[in-house]
Order: sequence, then structure tokens, then C-alpha cells
Amino acid sequence: DVKVTQSSRYLVKRTGEKVFLECVQDMDHENMFWYRQDPGLGLRLIYFSYDVKMKEKGDIPEGYSVSREKKERFSLILESASTNQTSMYLCASSQYSGANVLTFGAGSRLTVL
Amino acid sequence: GIQVEQSPPDLILQEGANSTLRCNFSDSVNNLQWFHQNPWGQLINLFYIPSGTKQNGRLSATTVATERYSLLYISSSQTTDSGVYFCAVEQRTGGFKTIFGAGTRLFVKA
Repeated sequence: DVKVTQSSRYLVKRTGEKVFLECVQDMDHENMFWYRQDPGLGLRLIYFSYDVKMKEKGDIPEGYSVSREKKERFSLILESASTNQTSMYLCASSQYSGANVLTFGAGSRLTVL
Repeated sequence: GIQVEQSPPDLILQEGANSTLRCNFSDSVNNLQWFHQNPWGQLINLFYIPSGTKQNGRLSATTVATERYSLLYISSSQTTDSGVYFCAVEQRTGGFKTIFGAGTRLFVKA
């Protein structure tokens, strides 16, 4: 089975801190995604990447950046965390071609104080 | 951008009942997926269904791409079906952009 592993299940950070959320997948998928999930809003796409060093903005990229230096790893960076970035962050990956089925990690719940 | 609307937002069922969840989308899409998020937060793909009908046990899904909607049917519901059901659609931009609806929260009572 495809495994998508997120580095931290729970994080607590202070306003203004730099935050790194790491995601690693082990099935050689081309596409990787970062979403945030908030009650009543579903999952909103922050950034996605369809190849190494390639990235594309999603619907809510403001306040976030990403890095994909290796195919298996996709990092989400909060340069200066703010309280409105308190959320559940979900990473997913998929094949580039054919049935583009998303596989999700377990999520990282970030609290910014 | 594309809009994805799911209905109903919340649903309470007695165990054994059947239900239909709906997903409407505002533009043509490459594909459509249904997901279940369990109470522990894990999202599991149920169906990849850009068009037509698929069945998997007590669950089935139908997508009518020309009319821009999809339906998820749950028959003989069980308490383990509780959770949130999401519809997600994919549009091709530079890569594959997958957009989610707000979800339907289902609670099945024993």
C-alpha cells in the first residue's frame, strides 16, 4: 500500500515562529498536495507539486510556501506563523497519469498561540 | 475557480437505513472522487468515478458528467459508516488540481 507519512501529528507554535511541515511518500508518485481542513470549509488546497522543484498555487497560498527538492518529499513552510493558521494540515500524493487517486497522510494538527 | 457543493451538510440515520449524498460541480472536470474521513481524521478514497456507475459492497456512486453532478449511495447503513464524506474534482492546470467540497457529516445511530 502507498504510504504518506507526515512528520508531526500535533504541533504547538507561537505567533511569528517559522514552521516546517514535512510529508514523505514511498510509492514514487509525481503529484503531491498540501491542504488545510477547517470545520465547515472542507479541504482547501494550499499548494501542489507535479514534479521535483515544480510547484503551483492552490486556492489559499497566502502565508505559505513549499519546497520539493526530492520526488518523495514535499514540505510546507509557514514563514511567520499566525493564529489564523491554526488548522489541520493534510498531505496527499497521486500518480501523474491514469486514475489520479489521492492517498492522504494522517494529518498534522497545528496550533499557533 | 470551480465550485463544488455537497448536500446535505449533515445527516443522521438509524442503522439499516439508506441514504443518498449529492455533489454538484460548476465546470467540466477530469475526474471525480469520493472520500470518507473517519472519526480519527484519516481520509480514505471510496471511488474514482469521472463518469458512470460503480459499486463496492453497500456503497455505490454515479456521476453524470454532462449534468455536472455525482451521487453516493449508502445502503443498509452501519455505525462504522459515520464520519464525513467528501466529493473532490480534478481540473488540469499545469498539473492536476483537486478541489474538495465542504463535505457531508453522517452520523449513524445504533
